[in-house]
Amino acid sequence: KNEVEQSPQNLTAQEGEFITINCSYSVGISALHWLQQHPGGGIVSLFMLSSGKKKHGRLIATINIQEKHSSLHITASHPRDSAVYICAVRSSRGYGGSQGNLIFGKGTKLSVKP
Amino acid sequence: DTGVSQNPRHKITKRGQNVTFRCDPISEHNRLYWYRQTLGQGPEFLTYFQNEAQLEKSRLLSDRFSAERPKGSFSTLEIQRTEQGDSAMYLCASSLAGDRRFFGPGTRLTVL
Repeated sequence: KNEVEQSPQNLTAQEGEFITINCSYSVGISALHWLQQHPGGGIVSLFMLSSGKKKHGRLIATINIQEKHSSLHITASHPRDSAVYICAVRSSRGYGGSQGNLIFGKGTKLSVKP
Repeated sequence: DTGVSQNPRHKITKRGQNVTFRCDPISEHNRLYWYRQTLGQGPEFLTYFQNEAQLEKSRLLSDRFSAERPKGSFSTLEIQRTEQGDSAMYLCASSLAGDRRFFGPGTRLTVL
C-alpha cells in the first residue's frame, strides 16, 4: 500500500461542475502539498497546508490531520483546469531528521469537457 | 514560467554514456530539490540541498548518481554509465525554507 493514496485516479467532468479530489496518507506529516501538472510535464504548486483550509480563486484545499485526509475542490470547473493533480506530503520523520523529502501520490487525471 | 529553469529540456543518450543536467533555481531560494518521474507515476524524491549542503539523498540515488550545488545557486545532477532504466523526466524545484516549492520544466532523458 502506498503511503499517499489519491482518488479517483481519473475524473471526467462537464464544464461548470464542482470537482473534488481526495488524498489520504498513512504517515505523520508536517505539511501537505497540492500540485498541478499539465501535459508536457510542467508542475505548478497550488497549495501547501498543514491545517485547516486555503482558498485561491476557484480552488479550495482542506486538510484533516486527525483523519489523515485532504481534499482539493474546484468550483465552476473549466476545460483549462484539465491536468493531473498530485498530492504530496512532507513526512514529519525525514531521513536523518531532515525534511526535504516529499512523498507523492500517483495523481488524479482530470478532464473537463466544454 | 515559475522562474526555475532546467537545461537541457531533452537529452537522448546511449547506454553507458554519462549525462549532466543543470538546474537554475529562483535566486533567493535556499532550498533545491531533485525528483525523478516516470510515465504514469508521481515524482520520486532524489535529493535535496539547503544552500550548498546536500542534506538528504534518497535510496533511489545509486552510486552512479551525483548532485552538486557548489555555490548554493545552480545545481547539477550527473548520471554516470547510464542505463535504460534511467529514462525518465528529471525535475528540479526550489523554495524558501518552509514555503511551497516552485518546479522547473524538467529534463526528459531517453537512454537508448
